[in-house]
Amino acid sequence: DAGVTQSPTHLIKTRGQQVTLRCSPISGHKSVSWYQQVLGQGPQFIFQYYEKEERGRGNFPDRFSARQFPNYSSELNVNALLLGDSALYLCASSRFIGTEAFFGQGTRLTVV
Amino acid sequence: DAKTTQPNSMESNEEEPVHLPCNHSTISGTDYIHWYRQLPSQGPEYVIHGLTSNVNNRMASLAIAEDRKSSTLILHRATLRDAAVYYCILRDTNDYKLSFGAGTTVTVRA
Repeated sequence: DAGVTQSPTHLIKTRGQQVTLRCSPISGHKSVSWYQQVLGQGPQFIFQYYEKEERGRGNFPDRFSARQFPNYSSELNVNALLLGDSALYLCASSRFIGTEAFFGQGTRLTVV
Repeated sequence: DAKTTQPNSMESNEEEPVHLPCNHSTISGTDYIHWYRQLPSQGPEYVIHGLTSNVNNRMASLAIAEDRKSSTLILHRATLRDAAVYYCILRDTNDYKLSFGAGTTVTVRA
């Protein structure tokens, strides 16, 4: 079975631009979460979606938004990029809320 | 969020056991103790979790103190592939997120 897949793996954006990151969960998993990991720190929770509804939001500005599609895939959007948004963005899927989370390899975003 | 305290780093020799401590003195009765690890250039991966009793799986063992204020992740025979950052996380059954701290960086010497 395929694991959690994220695309793209790397990208470089300029300050002020917008970016969309994509995540495909493991088949049968209905929950998708997004995390931001800055170099040298543990991942920080951004959003969780379950059955296409937002179920949790971390302490991130409104520039960050996400959605989940009927096939349970998800997108994370970040507007008006800042240099501080440079990080590894991780997507995790789980069968239900609170069950074991399976992480993708992440998308490395560099803002210049 | 309940907090955990872990050492910043630990070193081990290959094929020797590794005992990773975690303190969680403010744990509540409904908090499960989860361990995840993150290998270099990869996303975190689930290792093990438990509530009150000790737990074993193919990757590791989890020993939980009787008062649940601390726990220890045990890697029985460390391999070079076990070099990673190990995160101890408290999570309620209905908690939608994982709250990662800085974790413990484990180095395995050949």
